[in-house]
Amino acid sequence: GAGVSQSPSNKVTEKGKDVELRCDPISGHTALYWYRQSLGQGLEFLIYFQGNSAPDKSGLPSDRFSAERTGGSVSTLTIQRTQQEDSAVYLCASSLATGRRNYGYTFGSGTRLTVV
Amino acid sequence: TQLLEQSPQFLSIQEGENLTVYCNSSSVFSSLQWYRQEPGEGPVLLVTVVTGGEVKKLKRLTFQFGDARKDSSLHITAAQPGDTGLYLCAAGSNDYKLSFGAGTTVTVRA
Repeated sequence: GAGVSQSPSNKVTEKGKDVELRCDPISGHTALYWYRQSLGQGLEFLIYFQGNSAPDKSGLPSDRFSAERTGGSVSTLTIQRTQQEDSAVYLCASSLATGRRNYGYTFGSGTRLTVV
Repeated sequence: TQLLEQSPQFLSIQEGENLTVYCNSSSVFSSLQWYRQEPGEGPVLLVTVVTGGEVKKLKRLTFQFGDARKDSSLHITAAQPGDTGLYLCAAGSNDYKLSFGAGTTVTVRA
């Protein structure tokens, strides 16, 4: 597609429920990232996918968080047993193949998750 | 983890005035980027700087990368209400993972 598409744009869930957030990156972008943005905070790195390489999961805050990327394209971020502290905007970004030069990210509009 | 400090945290100015926001770190970066984010949207890339001392201009925006590649500034000349937004700097010391600052919220009053 023309841009990075995320769905849903807003999600309200009850504490303890599982949620799935979806990201459809720009066609041809092999790198895909998930970040979390909390009010007044910077963007917190969660996970990175690059082609067929093993993902960098070093930013996932707990084992309740997981993500996968199917066929090198669409990615799903899953949060199990949601807690109130999981409330944030979850941003997905994609970029061209990495190398010594960082081409910059194209972000989606994010999913605003509210856990009540 | 590289810590990027942005200042000021908030900036409110009148249309036509100039402003500068800063991004500082104790780490050396291979590249640094500036993004602008509007409410309800994701950040949008404005510029990437890679060479120490580099200056890039984008219309009324001037970006500078410090000689030691540890800091950067964004200067806006004759600000307009359309410049309102959250300005984020981001930097990486490896090939792929960017660290972001907390951002500067800029409000330009008409």
